[in-house]
Amino acid sequence: DIQMTQSPSTLSASVGDRVTITCRASQTINNLLAWYQQKPGKAPKLLIHEASSLESGVPSRFTGSGSGTEFTLTISSLQPDDFATYYCQQYNTYQRTFGQGTKLEIK
Amino acid sequence: QLQLQESGPGLVKPSETLSLTCTVSGGSIRSSLYYWGWIRQSPGRGLEWIGSIYNSGSTSYNPSLKSRVTISVDTPGNHYSLKLTSVTAADTAVYYCARQRVTPLFDNWGQGTLVTVSS
Repeated sequence: DIQMTQSPSTLSASVGDRVTITCRASQTINNLLAWYQQKPGKAPKLLIHEASSLESGVPSRFTGSGSGTEFTLTISSLQPDDFATYYCQQYNTYQRTFGQGTKLEIK
Repeated sequence: QLQLQESGPGLVKPSETLSLTCTVSGGSIRSSLYYWGWIRQSPGRGLEWIGSIYNSGSTSYNPSLKSRVTISVDTPGNHYSLKLTSVTAADTAVYYCARQRVTPLFDNWGQGTLVTVSS
């Protein structure tokens, strides 16, 4: 199965900062990558699919990019509601797999 | 507005069978556009896809769990179910049901239910 590795595991930032989270796949995934946001005690929420396509209703400050095996999620200007844990998921193979998560916390 | 709700025992004994149901409201499980999945989350394993089912009953399972998993669907009742046999402490997790697109990502999730495996 494809391993998804996120970095960093934890990221401290302030409101207004620009932050980037990286997700690396153990083999190419043809841009079939999604990003989710999860808040404590809640289910994950789908933000981005196909590496860069924003889901309806997701603020434009979220941007996904990348190709092949390396992908990034960038939040251009952090808002208080953005502090959460973010996960990537590949769906190129039958056995869809998730990254271990990046916790974005307030500095 | 689509809602999914997991239900079932929160405590299961080792070696027994974990059984959960996901009730779908605000939408039909008969939709041709979607599959219906189960995902679990634990501190040790993170998010792990368990399996998915289509309204026809066609299933797909995570190979690492396939020997122990059965997912079934009840289209008249608009719900689907998960059975995981021979559970151990490693199966302790929050279990989510979620709507899955044809491209297998999950766009609507239930709130999740904690299942603890302990004697």
